[in-house]
Amino acid sequence: EDQVTQSPEALRLQEGESSSLNCSYTVSGLRGLFWYRQDPGKGPEFLFTLYSAGEEKEKERLKATLTKKESFLHITAPKPEDSATYLCAVQRYSGGGADGLTFGKGTHLIIQP
Amino acid sequence: GAVVSQHPSWVICKSGTSVKIECRSLDFQATTMFWYRQFPKQSLMLMATSNEGSKATYEQGVEKDKFLINHASLTLSTLTVTSAHPEDSSFYICSASALRADFQETQYFGPGTRLLVL
Repeated sequence: EDQVTQSPEALRLQEGESSSLNCSYTVSGLRGLFWYRQDPGKGPEFLFTLYSAGEEKEKERLKATLTKKESFLHITAPKPEDSATYLCAVQRYSGGGADGLTFGKGTHLIIQP
Repeated sequence: GAVVSQHPSWVICKSGTSVKIECRSLDFQATTMFWYRQFPKQSLMLMATSNEGSKATYEQGVEKDKFLINHASLTLSTLTVTSAHPEDSSFYICSASALRADFQETQYFGPGTRLLVL
């Protein structure tokens, strides 16, 4: 069974204080690892997909990295508008069409001004 | 691009009634859509995979007769919660599979539908 564990569950930072969020996963054949941002009462907003160990992707203050067992979402000099829940999910490779995602519980990030 | 909408955004119904939720891909065609459920402070749980023109595939533990899914076109999938009960109250979110400009498949999510069964 695919499993995704995110840590920490919650993180409070001062504006400008950089940090990293962790996502550990086990999956029988990784097709992709996804990062999403979710604001309260809304659907997840796509951030990144990583496909192979060693891959890195960046978007504004966010950078995602991937190893064979975990992924990190680095946030550099965050601003209050970066406050949200960050979700990690894995997609198994089944050899067929698109498959559903297995999500972690998320990291609730609060950036204080 | 890659916008997914859901309707309604929230619904309150009486126990025993049925509720239909629509999921639309607005600017792309999606042969595959997915339905998830999210309880407060919990992760999204995949309920079923919906393929256009064929029967949905349900995850283990999800009652297919209770959660009816129809994917009648490449831009519309519907989830009907039949004979709803208070324990069905949840946040239901759909996603649609799309190819990005780099030809990689990803999933774009709708804004969600909050269902409250009284």
